[in-house]
Amino acid sequence: GESVGLHLPTLSVQEGDNSIINCAYSNSASDYFIWYKQESGKGPQFIIDIRSNMDKRQGQRVTVLLNKTVKHLSLQIAATQPGDSAVYFCAENIGGGSNYKLTFGKGTLLTVNP
Amino acid sequence: DAMVIQNPRYQVTQFGKPVTLSCSQTLNHNVMYWYQQKSSQAPKLLFHYYDKDFNNEADTPDNFQSRRPNTSFCFLDIRSPGLGDTAMYLCATERQTGDTQYFGPGTRLTVL
Repeated sequence: GESVGLHLPTLSVQEGDNSIINCAYSNSASDYFIWYKQESGKGPQFIIDIRSNMDKRQGQRVTVLLNKTVKHLSLQIAATQPGDSAVYFCAENIGGGSNYKLTFGKGTLLTVNP
Repeated sequence: DAMVIQNPRYQVTQFGKPVTLSCSQTLNHNVMYWYQQKSSQAPKLLFHYYDKDFNNEADTPDNFQSRRPNTSFCFLDIRSPGLGDTAMYLCATERQTGDTQYFGPGTRLTVL
């Protein structure tokens, strides 16, 4: 049968609160980072991205912050809604030429309580 | 409109019975990827095609093969599925390497 997976870090928030999901990356050469949202039984959905020449990028209700000094990435979701409940993955795109590779973080399960 | 389409969405097969999963894209992207995702884990890259060039990950079992007959379609063949191959299989496309990858809805494979 299916092997037992690792327990995901979890974050539980009340509807309307702001959420902050954190991610640490390991490769200082990484220059492109993406946040994906994955709802149960679905494929990862692109939320927002950021290149290493920036330290902040904003979208609709979402903000990504990049701290290259400590190799840390965060996703902030404003006014969290029940529809935001999902697993959130950060991913770093590493490589060069025709051989880039997307490396995913562990994922964080966000639960929004009504 | 769906841009990365995977068929079937759910597949049940028996131990050792070959299975083929399909991915198609309407984005005309050069790069197509296959990932395996087990419960509560991150997606794990199996291989990818950059145009017609196939790139296999070092730890992808020989049991997993792929075909890309044209730009739009890519197939994942599992020659002799084992119980441990039960997982979600995700296809993703990318305009060029280093760009954003867009994922399909996945195929949930169960091996009995």
